[in-house]
Amino acid sequence: AQSVTQPDIHITVSEGASLELRCNYSYGATPYLFWYVQSPGQGLQLLLKYFSGDTLVQGIKGFEAEFKRSQSSFNLRKPSVHWSDAAEYFCAVENQAGTALIFGKGTTLSVSS
Amino acid sequence: DTEVTQTPKHLVMGMTNKKSLKCEQHMGHRAMYWYKQKAKKPPELMFVYSYEKLSINESVPSRFSPECPNSSLLNLHLHALQPEDSALYLCASSQKGGTSGNTIYFGEGSWLTVV
Repeated sequence: AQSVTQPDIHITVSEGASLELRCNYSYGATPYLFWYVQSPGQGLQLLLKYFSGDTLVQGIKGFEAEFKRSQSSFNLRKPSVHWSDAAEYFCAVENQAGTALIFGKGTTLSVSS
Repeated sequence: DTEVTQTPKHLVMGMTNKKSLKCEQHMGHRAMYWYKQKAKKPPELMFVYSYEKLSINESVPSRFSPECPNSSLLNLHLHALQPEDSALYLCASSQKGGTSGNTIYFGEGSWLTVV
């Protein structure tokens, strides 16, 4: 069965420091992968997606993610975190039927000054 | 423009009330979704409409009734809800449904409190 694992429930990063959020997926074929961000009280905003091609994907707000098939991973990175990046981050994979997203449990990012 | 608009943003309703959540998109998307999200949890799929027809119902209780009047609008009718139905209800849309490679765009959500 398809699944997404985000191993880190909560991460705290100092403002200006680099960030990496981990995501592992279980999927038999080429996955369609997404990262969404949810600020408190808000909906989900798409940060970036991977469908095919270049395995390093650039997104909005200075985020990037790298697809590594050998490790079944799609980790999200940002070189310098801002206080406004504090939010919940969800990794997701499209199901095989193309009808819905399978979400990880999310990682809460806190940013300290 | 990747905007999905939901109204109302907040709704408080009694267990005997009937209310509706509304969702609108003008991106020409042909698939629309309702998700339910409890605090500190990922969204859970409730319904999918593809080309204005209900294609997926994730065993949602009948007190939730979706409606897709046209390709731009999606409603969720609520009746006789329970306090445990209190949650953030997210509407989403994608260009097409039932084929791979869809990008799903979410609205800001409607916060529902059942008292």
